[in-house]
Amino acid sequence: AQSVTQPDIHITVSEGASLELRCNYSYGATPYLFWYVQSPGQGLQLLLKYFSGDTLVQGIKGFEAEFKRSQSSFNLRKPSVHWSDAAEYFCAVGGANNLFFGTGTRLTVIP
Amino acid sequence: DAGVIQSPRHEVTEMGQEVTLRCKPISGHNSLFWYRQTMMRGLELLIYFNNNVPIDDSGMPEDRFSAKMPNASFSTLKIQPSEPRDSAVYFCASTPVGGMNTGELFFGEGSRLTVL
Repeated sequence: AQSVTQPDIHITVSEGASLELRCNYSYGATPYLFWYVQSPGQGLQLLLKYFSGDTLVQGIKGFEAEFKRSQSSFNLRKPSVHWSDAAEYFCAVGGANNLFFGTGTRLTVIP
Repeated sequence: DAGVIQSPRHEVTEMGQEVTLRCKPISGHNSLFWYRQTMMRGLELLIYFNNNVPIDDSGMPEDRFSAKMPNASFSTLKIQPSEPRDSAVYFCASTPVGGMNTGELFFGEGSRLTVL
């Protein structure tokens, strides 16, 4: 069965610090992997995606993620966090007909 | 370009009342999805349409929920009768041809439903 686990419910980082959000997935076939961001009161916006090829993918807003098949992980990273990055982040895995979302990680950025 | 438009943004109703949520997908997108978001269960897919036809409604929680897509530019999600446990944010999302293979769902801003 497909599933996505985001073990960190809430993370707090200082502005300018580096960030890593964890994501582990379970999927029966080659996964398509995604990270979405949700700002308060808004819908979700795609940050980046992995389908195949280079396992390090670049996204919008300076985010990147690395696919590690051996660990079934797709962790999101950013070298220097900005206050505007405070939001909820969702990892998702999917195929042709659905996306399965994790429960999300809420990011708080402190000055 | 206008994004996915949902209405109402907020709805407060009493238990037993009928609730209708509306969605206008992005023009040219041929797949439409309804998701429900709660603290307890996160984001759940309720139903999705392809070319106005319901493809998978296995996520619809029970018969009180129904969804229609009479044309390519409009969809409704109806709850009748509503119950307090239906309180959630309901998102509509659309994607163009083959969009699920690109993974980019375009989400509306959501309809926050509170059932008292």
